[in-house]
Amino acid sequence: GENVEQHPSTLSVQEGDSAVIKCTYSDSASNYFPWYKQELGKGPQLIIDIRSNVGEKKDQRIAVTLNKTAKHFSLHITETQPEDSAVYFCAASKGGGSQGNLIFGKGTKLSVKP
Amino acid sequence: KAGVTQTPRYLIKTRGQQVTLSCSPISGHRSVSWYQQTPGQGLQFLFEYFSETQRNKGNFPGRFSGRQFSNSRSEMNVSTLELGDSALYLCASSLGTSGGAYFGPGTRLTVL
Repeated sequence: GENVEQHPSTLSVQEGDSAVIKCTYSDSASNYFPWYKQELGKGPQLIIDIRSNVGEKKDQRIAVTLNKTAKHFSLHITETQPEDSAVYFCAASKGGGSQGNLIFGKGTKLSVKP
Repeated sequence: KAGVTQTPRYLIKTRGQQVTLSCSPISGHRSVSWYQQTPGQGLQFLFEYFSETQRNKGNFPGRFSGRQFSNSRSEMNVSTLELGDSALYLCASSLGTSGGAYFGPGTRLTVL
């Protein structure tokens, strides 16, 4: 079955710096790759997603890139702020985003120091 | 629109008991998926229901079951609880035909 690996497990940056989180997936049939942010005591929040027919997607300070050949995708956060501190999860699925069987990475705890 | 709601938010049960968790999806969403989150295993997919039918299933024992009602609300049941079932149970709703999945706040289950 699908396996998603996520690195690093922890990441500490200074406010204003950029943060990059990387994920690799094993199933070449995967075609939908969302990213979630989870704050303490809350459920994961969808922050951005990308489908396999797109190489890059940007939303303000957040961007995601996808390399289908290498089977990896990355989350880029620019101009980090303390409120970006949270656990970030990448995920993959074969349903094109229409089906709910997401396979998640283990998460990256991001700390942004003021 | 109101978000995904889950009830109850916290539960304490003892081994051998059974438990039922409830999830109300975002209005208009027809798909509800359930996930188990633990520190050791992370987020693991349990099952997905779409239009009252189970559409996908993860690798969990038969003690874990679910159902979906005609109004898209979903329930998840765990029978014969084990200590290892202690976890945060999350449900996520989506249109089921496109778009992303949106999570509720979860139900924290503690098995003693």
